[in-house]
Formats: sequence, C-alpha cells, structure tokens
Amino acid sequence: GEEVAQTPKHLVRGEGQKAKLYCAPIKGHSYVFWYQQVLKNEFKFLISFQNENVFDETGMPKERFSAKCLPNSPCSLEIQATKLEDSAVYFCASSQSGEKLFFGSGTQLSVL
Amino acid sequence: SQELEQSPQSLIVQEGKNLTINCTSSKTLYGLYWYKQKYGEGLIFLMMLQKGGEEKSHEKITAKLDEKKQQSSLHITASQPSHAGIYLCGAEIYGGSQGNLIFGKGTKLSVKP
Repeated sequence: GEEVAQTPKHLVRGEGQKAKLYCAPIKGHSYVFWYQQVLKNEFKFLISFQNENVFDETGMPKERFSAKCLPNSPCSLEIQATKLEDSAVYFCASSQSGEKLFFGSGTQLSVL
Repeated sequence: SQELEQSPQSLIVQEGKNLTINCTSSKTLYGLYWYKQKYGEGLIFLMMLQKGGEEKSHEKITAKLDEKKQQSSLHITASQPSHAGIYLCGAEIYGGSQGNLIFGKGTKLSVKP
C-alpha cells in the first residue's frame, strides 16, 4: 500500500493479558521499525527488521516483548503478560533503504 | 548518552507570522529528521538532512543543519492554521543502526487565525 497500516488503532488489555499489534509496511519497503511513545512525546526505538531478519533489537525489553516480520504477512509486535507501564502508543515505520522513515498512525495500547 | 534538546517547548503565533524551532545536540548529528505530529496521528515526514550546512525547503518550511552538524532549525514562513501540530526532530545515534532514532521532546505549535 501507499502508507504504513497499523492495526488495531486501539487495544485495551487487562494486566497479564497478551497484546498483539500489526503493521503492514509500504509496498516495496524492506525495512520495518517499531517505536514506543510514552507520555506523549517520549519516543523509544524498540526493534528494526530488514525483510524478515532482525536488523537491530537493542531497544527491545529482554522479557515479554517479541516481534516478527514474516514473508507475505503483516509484521507483528507481541507483548506477553502486559503490565501497566506497557500502556503507550506503538508506532511502526517503514523505509526503502533504512533512511527516510515513514510512520503509521500508531496503536494505542491501554493496560488496565 | 546523546540527547536532542528542542526549543521552544511550545509556541503560539498569529497567522501569517514567521517562526523558528531549534534542535540541538551535544554530539554530532547523523541523519537529522524533522517530523510533524497531529494529535492521534502518526508522524508526517517533513525533511531529512545529512550534510553540514545543508538546507532543504518544502512549500513554506525550510530546515537547516549547521556546519558542525550539532544544531538544526526549522523555519516556517507566513504560518497558517494548517501548520499547527507538534514538531519533532529525530536523529540517528552515533554507532547506532540506520533508522534507530532518538527524538527531541517536541515543539507544540499553535497558529491563531
């Protein structure tokens, strides 16, 4: 597609439940990035992929967070056993070359 | 660790006025990005600067990166209500991978008709 598509727009989970977020990158873009935005303007890099391979995972929490980009499927970010502090907007971005990132509209995750 | 300082934090201008937003780092900036975010929406890519002294313009928005690559400015000429939003600068961190960006805290711009 012409834009990065993220689903769902909003996700509400009880503490301890699993959350799964999806991202379809722009067609032809081989890089996908996940960012977490907490407290409105605090952006944190989580992980990036080049095609289906992890490119940089230095921002991923060691526990509970995982991500995949499989061929012919949307990329996904999964949080096991969600905690209150996981509440944030999760943004996906894609890029053709690793530069000039185009962002999706985000998934607002609320953990209650 | 590298941080990006944006100033001002917020700005209210009258329609038609010019304005400048600054983004400063204590370390050399690599791949400096400017984005605009509206409430509830994603980041809209504005411009990317890489070379010292580089300047790019799109419509009424001009972005510059200084020669030392430690400061960037975003200038809007003859502001309009459509320019309202949060402007974020982002930069690649030294030693980091492409697309691994740190962001400033943003500048909230309001334009009064």
